[in-house]
Amino acid sequence: GAGVSQTPSNKVTEKGKYVELRCDPISGHTALYWYRQSLGQGPEFLIYFQGTGAADDSGLPNDRFFAVRPEGSVSTLKIQRTERGDSAVYLCASSHQGTGTSVDTQYFGPGTRLTVL
Amino acid sequence: AQSVTQLDSQVPVFEEAPVELRCNYSSSVSVYLFWYVQYPNQGLQLLLKYLSGSTLVKGINGFEAEFNKSQTSFHLRKPSVHISDTAEYFCAVSELGGNKLVFGAGTILRVKS
Repeated sequence: GAGVSQTPSNKVTEKGKYVELRCDPISGHTALYWYRQSLGQGPEFLIYFQGTGAADDSGLPNDRFFAVRPEGSVSTLKIQRTERGDSAVYLCASSHQGTGTSVDTQYFGPGTRLTVL
Repeated sequence: AQSVTQLDSQVPVFEEAPVELRCNYSSSVSVYLFWYVQYPNQGLQLLLKYLSGSTLVKGINGFEAEFNKSQTSFHLRKPSVHISDTAEYFCAVSELGGNKLVFGAGTILRVKS
């Protein structure tokens, strides 16, 4: 079946602009995660959705970052007033259930490479 | 809070040689442990995971890892590597009852012929 897809694959923007990054999880997966991977680093957790609600947004670096998942499927990560330090690969992952006692495997998308000039 | 240290940023090895990629973690609570692989231009893929039980875990592509609680380590091993194993490998932990993964910085495995 189809895996996690992310669009666009690459996004170049100017400092101060607004960007939206989209994630389509695997069909039927209720849990969705966003991570950010800076150059030479491992992925860092940003936010986790269970269904439509953000169950844990403790990784969002500041209030310029916001994510939504209005229908419990597709999610959009929104970044306002982008800064050069926001340049990174933004990864999305989904898992089947993602409850507190679950160890469901997280399946990752290929990522969106964001470059802020 | 948890943290993960991957001690080697790059590991060069010849084809058919054995390899060990090291991972140490720090946590005040019990954790689950994972190894993910990222091939060039592809997404992260789960290699194996340790949840409980036997400390030796076998994964895909002939990889295995051993959980050592006293040394807080979860080193990844393969007895004989192939050129196709060239990739970046990430060790990760999540706390029991938690959801987010905490990753190490990654180790690039370069297999040479």
